Amino acid sequence: SQTIHQWPATLVQPVGSPLSLECTVEGTSNPNLYWYRQAAGRGLQLLFYSVGIGQISSEVPQNLSASRPQDRQFILSSKKLLLSDSGFYLCAWSTGTGVGYTFGSGTRLTVV
Amino acid sequence: SQQGEEDPQALSIQEGENATMNCSYKTSINNLQWYRQNSGRGLVHLILIRSNEREKHSGRLRVTLDTSKKSSSLLITASRAADTASYFCATSRAGGSYIPTFGRGTSLIVHP
Repeated sequence: SQTIHQWPATLVQPVGSPLSLECTVEGTSNPNLYWYRQAAGRGLQLLFYSVGIGQISSEVPQNLSASRPQDRQFILSSKKLLLSDSGFYLCAWSTGTGVGYTFGSGTRLTVV
Repeated sequence: SQQGEEDPQALSIQEGENATMNCSYKTSINNLQWYRQNSGRGLVHLILIRSNEREKHSGRLRVTLDTSKKSSSLLITASRAADTASYFCATSRAGGSYIPTFGRGTSLIVHP
């Protein structure tokens, strides 16, 4: 069966520090991968998606970046965090049709 | 831009009652999905309804789609305290990207 792992679960980082969140998928090959951010009381904002190794599409210009070094690994990074980067970050995967997303358990990021 | 918008934003009911949540959208869609999110967790896919379908059932869930009104409803029958969660609709635009756009969600509280 397919599983998705996302870590860490919580993170408190000072402003200006770097960020690296990792997401891995098991039990499937060539998944579409996504990073979302969810602000309190808001819907999900799509940040990045990838349809293959090294292929990254950015939906929102910001100081975050994403990389897909391996087929089932998706990394969200920042060189210098801003206060506004605080939020709940969710990784997800889907098949090529984009239906039935499977989400990770999320990372609560607090930038202080 | 936000495609799907759920209402009400919050719903509080007693165990055993039915819960109805609505989703409205602006443009033609290929499909509409409903997801559930427990507090501080990732989203879980509940059900998908395609644009040529009008109603689908899954256990205690009933989803309807009215493309003429650009709206969908999610009905949870005989609710349980464990149904307490936020519920999101996600729409994929016809002729556009397959990637669904999520609404802001309905927060459902079921009192035991």
